[in-house]
Amino acid sequence: EAGVTQFPSHSVIEKGQTVTLRCDPISGHDNLYWYRRVMGKEIKFLLHFVKESKQDESGMPNNRFLAERTGGTYSTLKVQPAELEDSGVYFCASSQARGAGVSFGPGTRLTVT
Amino acid sequence: DQQVKQNSPSLSVQEGRISILNCDYTNSMFDYFLWYKKYPAEGPTFLISISSIKDKNEDGRFTVFLNKSAKHLSLHIVPSQPGDSAVYFCAAIGSGGGADGLTFGKGTHLIIQP
Repeated sequence: EAGVTQFPSHSVIEKGQTVTLRCDPISGHDNLYWYRRVMGKEIKFLLHFVKESKQDESGMPNNRFLAERTGGTYSTLKVQPAELEDSGVYFCASSQARGAGVSFGPGTRLTVT
Repeated sequence: DQQVKQNSPSLSVQEGRISILNCDYTNSMFDYFLWYKKYPAEGPTFLISISSIKDKNEDGRFTVFLNKSAKHLSLHIVPSQPGDSAVYFCAAIGSGGGADGLTFGKGTHLIIQP
């Protein structure tokens, strides 16, 4: 079984530019989550999809972040325009049931200069 | 305000000895706790979990203990092996409301010395 995959693995962009991160969850996992770890701090929850619906986006930092999950398969997280404080590692995770058995992807390291 | 706290940023243990990683939480709505292990440049990998209805869960060399009254859990690794060197994250989730995602601690970097 293929795990959660994320693309790209690294992204370096300038402040003000746009970046789109992609996540492919484990096949059959209806629950998809985005998390972010900034500068060695704790990993923080951003949002949760159940299929294509946003179930909880309480962790999204501001309206520069837009997440979509078209057709309930892969998901994208767009940052527009990017700011310096957006730098960090963005993890995607998926599960069949909420909370339990959550598998994480390898993360996308975003650097905003 | 951190709801899950791992107060030891790092821990060094000799190979073969027991490693004990601690975690405290403040949110009484949490009812399911997980430990994740993370190697550099990789995502967190699920290690072991425990429901609040239990006080102990064991899986091979890994045992998690939960003390609900103290809002404290610990992960025991025995015997510790060099491959256990990684960052360990404690995480929690509640079924009674709150955010859907896991709430993580800041992690403890475990170093197993030969």
